[in-house]
Amino acid sequence: QVQLQQSGPGLVKPSQTLSLTCAISGDSVSSNSAAWNWIRQSPSRGLEWLGRTYYRSKWYNDYAVSVKSRITINPDTSKNQFSLQLNSVTPEDTAVYYCAREGYYYDSSGYYQELDYWGQGTLVTVSS
Amino acid sequence: AIQMTQSPSSLSASVGDRVTITCRASQGIRNDLGWYQQKPGKAPKLLIYAASSLQSGVPSRFSGSGSGTDFTLTISSLQPEDFATYYCLQDYNYPRTFGQGTKLEIK
Repeated sequence: QVQLQQSGPGLVKPSQTLSLTCAISGDSVSSNSAAWNWIRQSPSRGLEWLGRTYYRSKWYNDYAVSVKSRITINPDTSKNQFSLQLNSVTPEDTAVYYCAREGYYYDSSGYYQELDYWGQGTLVTVSS
Repeated sequence: AIQMTQSPSSLSASVGDRVTITCRASQGIRNDLGWYQQKPGKAPKLLIYAASSLQSGVPSRFSGSGSGTDFTLTISSLQPEDFATYYCLQDYNYPRTFGQGTKLEIK
């Protein structure tokens, strides 16, 4: 059973860096059949996919255009976890942040990648 | 980015009712769509993938259909634990995009 455990501060000052970590159990951050995502949720923006990291012989990242200049998602193979860093935050970055695994599912038509395991969520408030 | 539009945004129904939620994509996404259920204070939970395949452990009263741009989630006979918010998510390409959600409330 895959479990994701999030950690990190719930309060960040404007212009500073938001940092969260997602510890993985029951799978590997280096898996060739998974990807590791960050998503956030706020009343104004709904559910917003932020980005992912994954390993396919080397490490890759994909990021949402809306945060691409400010975001870094990094794997940590020694601790089997991955992290989110979001720089230069403003109050608009206030949200519940989730980490999630993207797993592969197969049927007769092919394969699909779904967000099948999620962390518990972390409310991050950006305020001075 | 592909836009996902859900309707209705909210829905009142009674235990035992059959309900349908729709999701429309701004361009064709084959059947690359998932449906998620979210309860207050909890993370979303995967119900259906590939538009119509039931995730393991999800009750058979949930079903999905559609392909291309139009998709539906149907709950055949509402149970008390089904009152929640439902989201669609396209996994056709990146960035992944969610619908805005449908809040299912008790009538």
